[in-house]
Amino acid sequence: DGGITQSPKYLFRKEGQNVTLSCEQNLNHDAMYWYRQDPGQGLRLIYYSQIVNDFQKGDIAEGYSVSREKKESFPLTVTSAQKNPTAFYLCASTRTLFLEGYGYTFGSGTRLTVV
Amino acid sequence: GENVEQHPSTLSVQEGDSAVIKCTYSDSASNYFPWYKQELGKRPQLIIDIRSNVGEKKDQRIAVTLNKTAKHFSLHITETQPEDSAVYFCAAKSGGSYIPTFGRGTSLIVHP
Repeated sequence: DGGITQSPKYLFRKEGQNVTLSCEQNLNHDAMYWYRQDPGQGLRLIYYSQIVNDFQKGDIAEGYSVSREKKESFPLTVTSAQKNPTAFYLCASTRTLFLEGYGYTFGSGTRLTVV
Repeated sequence: GENVEQHPSTLSVQEGDSAVIKCTYSDSASNYFPWYKQELGKRPQLIIDIRSNVGEKKDQRIAVTLNKTAKHFSLHITETQPEDSAVYFCAAKSGGSYIPTFGRGTSLIVHP
């Protein structure tokens, strides 16, 4: 699956629930990212991680949390504090945070719907 | 921070025509400009990129041009084919930032 796997593909959440989206990569990449994609909004950065046990807020981090306990894994939790969580979530990785020219490797995405 | 505007939001062309998508950026220190293609239901993929020390780059039917003075860069697709139909995202990365800022995307529709 291109070296970066997101699961599940579709996720339904009830109001007030926390949900966790999985992202795993076997590319030996140091840097990982979470983006949110809404129609007409492009890709907006939620969180990114340069290395294990380190992560930084992106432009729209409110209502989200992450962890980076292993190099391969960067799960995203959508908390009940996120007011409008229905969206398509993309995980990505790069060899390092500083690298240009190779672009992001994206996962296939998780579509989260609040019911 | 960086601000990237992308136009048009939707572009409809006939097969064989050319398509041009334009992006403008705000930070004159931006030095790296990638373009991603996202087909329906699939993940975005890097299709071409350009650095600020280059004015134009080509890869078969795809080219990107950069005008640093005017702070805009454009994606050119020649001899469009139905499989070119997708959403295209531009991005700009400032030398002072590790993370690129994305445009809002252009939905390109190529009619057979």
